[in-house]
Amino acid sequence: EPEVTQTPSHQVTQMGQEVILRCVPISNHLYFYWYRQILGQKVEFLVSFYNNEISEKSEIFDDQFSVERPDGSNFTLKIRSTKLEDSAMYFCASSELRAPTDTQYFGPGTRLTVL
Amino acid sequence: GEDVEQSLFLSVREGDSSVINCTYTDSSSTYLYWYKQEPGAGLQLLTYIFSNMDMKQDQRLTVLLNKKDKHLSLRIADTQTGDSAIYFCAEVGGATNKLIFGTGTLLAVQP
Repeated sequence: EPEVTQTPSHQVTQMGQEVILRCVPISNHLYFYWYRQILGQKVEFLVSFYNNEISEKSEIFDDQFSVERPDGSNFTLKIRSTKLEDSAMYFCASSELRAPTDTQYFGPGTRLTVL
Repeated sequence: GEDVEQSLFLSVREGDSSVINCTYTDSSSTYLYWYKQEPGAGLQLLTYIFSNMDMKQDQRLTVLLNKKDKHLSLRIADTQTGDSAIYFCAEVGGATNKLIFGTGTLLAVQP
């Protein structure tokens, strides 16, 4: 069964450093998403992406964050200058059609630890 | 704004039924979902229900939706130790494509 994959599974970085989290969505999916889950808190929406554009973003997704689909398979989330409070599990998701018409399938997550 | 709430913890014995409850505030919710998260793993879609339905059954899983009370429940029949996980309900409205998640319910199944 096709699945969303994410790399790395765990990333440790120093405060102020840039990180890039990578995702390979399901191949025929057109809509891509990033969510995050700070330890002990709810899963929160960050951004959705379609047709090489951001279609929706939350208040969390400020100028420090960016997303990109650099080629036909990868979808990346970049944090330019990481803060301690960026430590969280970051989940990528994809859907074939626009939600809510279609369900979002999640990757296993990347645990980001900012020291 | 939209909010989704769940009880934090449920403990059941193996073989019993589990019922996990969820309430939401967004009356424009069109789809409601249940996701399962096992330790160290991602979010696995279990089932979903469209807002014009009252009930959906999928093998051991039964989803009940009370749209008037904005209450969603997930019943797991014959609960097994492998069902131990965190269960999240989530909703999405018509004008957006973002999922709003609940706090998650930790289901502990005792042998």
